[in-house]
Amino acid sequence: DQQVKQNSPSLSVQEGRISILNCDYTNSMFDYFLWYKKYPAEGPTFLISISSIKDKNEDGRFTVFLNKSAKHLSLHIVPSQPGDSAVYFCAASAFSSGGGADGLTFGKGTHLIIQP
Amino acid sequence: EPEVTQTPSHQVTQMGQEVILRCVPISNHLYFYWYRQILGQKVEFLVSFYNNEISEKSEIFDDQFSVERPDGSNFTLKIRSTKLEDSAMYFCASSEEFLANEKLFFGSGTQLSVL
Repeated sequence: DQQVKQNSPSLSVQEGRISILNCDYTNSMFDYFLWYKKYPAEGPTFLISISSIKDKNEDGRFTVFLNKSAKHLSLHIVPSQPGDSAVYFCAASAFSSGGGADGLTFGKGTHLIIQP
Repeated sequence: EPEVTQTPSHQVTQMGQEVILRCVPISNHLYFYWYRQILGQKVEFLVSFYNNEISEKSEIFDDQFSVERPDGSNFTLKIRSTKLEDSAMYFCASSEEFLANEKLFFGSGTQLSVL
């Protein structure tokens, strides 16, 4: 049961261009969404998050967009840099319904490759 | 910068053996978690722990699994009788605040291989 889906296992983008990573979810109880980044041999590190009361959150080169009606979110990285090459995980939580302690539901990840 | 540390980085065991995976969460954190990632699959929640007891656990976390905070610094995951399907990367995580999922800090993981 994939409640959080990342349909692209990998994505290749030229350095300096925009990277767009997509994520879809099915559970309407999810109201908090996060992106994590993972390098090989390291644990996931938090990147950016968005609450369902917003449709956009920006932090430097990273912007997350949320479309609640479509149950879709995306992460935009502009401009893409070589150090952005990593696996990006979308995650969701039913935060306001007390689901915080339930942990996060992760997608399978998208491997982003930034080409010079 | 404070970090979550996990030992060992790799663990190889025979099916049916007991394993203990160790974690040292960030010192002022109050919530502790175990997640796992089977090769090629998503990161899955196993259990959360607060105030010396389990807060929540997933369906994966059956009677073969247990967690413990034996002292003020360590947080352990025990698998009583390992199965082949327990082979995965196990991540420990901690957070400072209650329900603050966005502040989850993960360790580098322990790669468990059950033969």
